[in-house]
Amino acid sequence: ILNVEQSPQSLHVQEGDSTNFTCSFPSSNFYALHWYRWETAKSPEALFVMTLNGDEKKKGRISATLNTKEGYSYLYIKGSQPEDSATYLCAFLKNTGFQKLVFGTGTRLLVSP
Amino acid sequence: ETGVTQTPRHLVMGMTNKKSLKCEQHLGHNAMYWYKQSAKKPLELMFVYNFKEQTENNSVPSRFSPECPNSSHLFLHLHTLQPEDSALYLCASSQEVGRGSYNEQFFGPGTRLTVL
Repeated sequence: ILNVEQSPQSLHVQEGDSTNFTCSFPSSNFYALHWYRWETAKSPEALFVMTLNGDEKKKGRISATLNTKEGYSYLYIKGSQPEDSATYLCAFLKNTGFQKLVFGTGTRLLVSP
Repeated sequence: ETGVTQTPRHLVMGMTNKKSLKCEQHLGHNAMYWYKQSAKKPLELMFVYNFKEQTENNSVPSRFSPECPNSSHLFLHLHTLQPEDSALYLCASSQEVGRGSYNEQFFGPGTRLTVL
């Protein structure tokens, strides 16, 4: 059974704070790690697809790093804004068998003005 | 319309009703997916279609019946559901499923289903 764990479950920060959260996944049979951003009542939106150990990706104030050897990825948000409030999901894709994304339960971020 | 759309957005049904959820993608993709999300649980894959062929049924009870008439449309037919089937049902699409693809998926907004 594949387990993808995300921490913390929820986070409440003030506008302007920087924050980060973690996704842990199996370190064997790694193929890709996806990050999604999911605002309430909207569609989950792809942020990053990370494939190589040591990958760093950035989109505006959001960035992510990847360590496939130890099985974790960090998502960072610099200078959080209220519009960053959302649930951030990660999903693991293994390199064997059927290509199925295995999702974590997400980190719910609330940014207060 | 762009992206992935789902109708209806909300549905309340009794246990003896028959209803259908509809998903449509306007991205030219060849793979479509149904996911279920229950409270405090991760997204759970239900069905996958690749080039209109069902390639995955993740041990889903037969009261859920998918249909994929073409690469742009996906349905989930519901019959004699149980209250524990109340959840958010998400549809997604991707270019295709297979080796060499990182399977980046594009999601619809979901249908919130309540079974009374």
